[in-house]
Amino acid sequence: EAQVTQNPRYLITVTGKKLTVTCSQNMNHEYMSWYRQDPGLGLRQIYYSMNVEVTDKGDVPEGYKVSRKEKRNFPLILESPSPNQTSLYFCASSLQETSGYTFGSGTRLTVV
Amino acid sequence: GNSVTQMEGPVTLSEEAFLTINCTYTATGYPSLFWYVQYPGEGLQLLLKATKADDKGSNKGFEATYRKETTSFHLEKGSVQVSDSAVYFCALSPRGYQKVTFGIGTKLQVIP
Repeated sequence: EAQVTQNPRYLITVTGKKLTVTCSQNMNHEYMSWYRQDPGLGLRQIYYSMNVEVTDKGDVPEGYKVSRKEKRNFPLILESPSPNQTSLYFCASSLQETSGYTFGSGTRLTVV
Repeated sequence: GNSVTQMEGPVTLSEEAFLTINCTYTATGYPSLFWYVQYPGEGLQLLLKATKADDKGSNKGFEATYRKETTSFHLEKGSVQVSDSAVYFCALSPRGYQKVTFGIGTKLQVIP
């Protein structure tokens, strides 16, 4: 089944403890992206990647890192999480700009 | 920069009513336009898309027409069902795949 898989689905962590949210797609898509969803703010892009080793900042990149060493994987790294990073995170991938995204199921992160 | 404007809602309709959710955008050039749907507790799913002016996207009884002259991509459905209750997001993807921009999302509630 064609899909984007994120892990974990739920995560509660403490301020300052490094964490990684994994994202993997099995559709050989070139483009991958991370979004966060917050009430009243909609979806905001954190980082995106147009190909292996090519990444760029979205609208809200502060406090996040990404890497794209392989086409299928695009992990999101929070080096030192803070409570304002409590949010619902989505990974998405697409074949090309006109295709539209396939989204993962989301990761609900709580930082206390 | 690019932007997408849609009402946040909630929009409450009775079953079998006509639905319109307005979406207007600001972008340079000729972006691709999308509608996504998010059911409770799930990730976003691509509902329909249009990649050039005057294109009509359609799926599951929903339709939207790319209107360049009014920079709009309004979502319509002739007869909504309770199962259509969800949050609907309008989005644009510029040529050359830079940052994909989402609207704030419109919550639709359909009551029997």
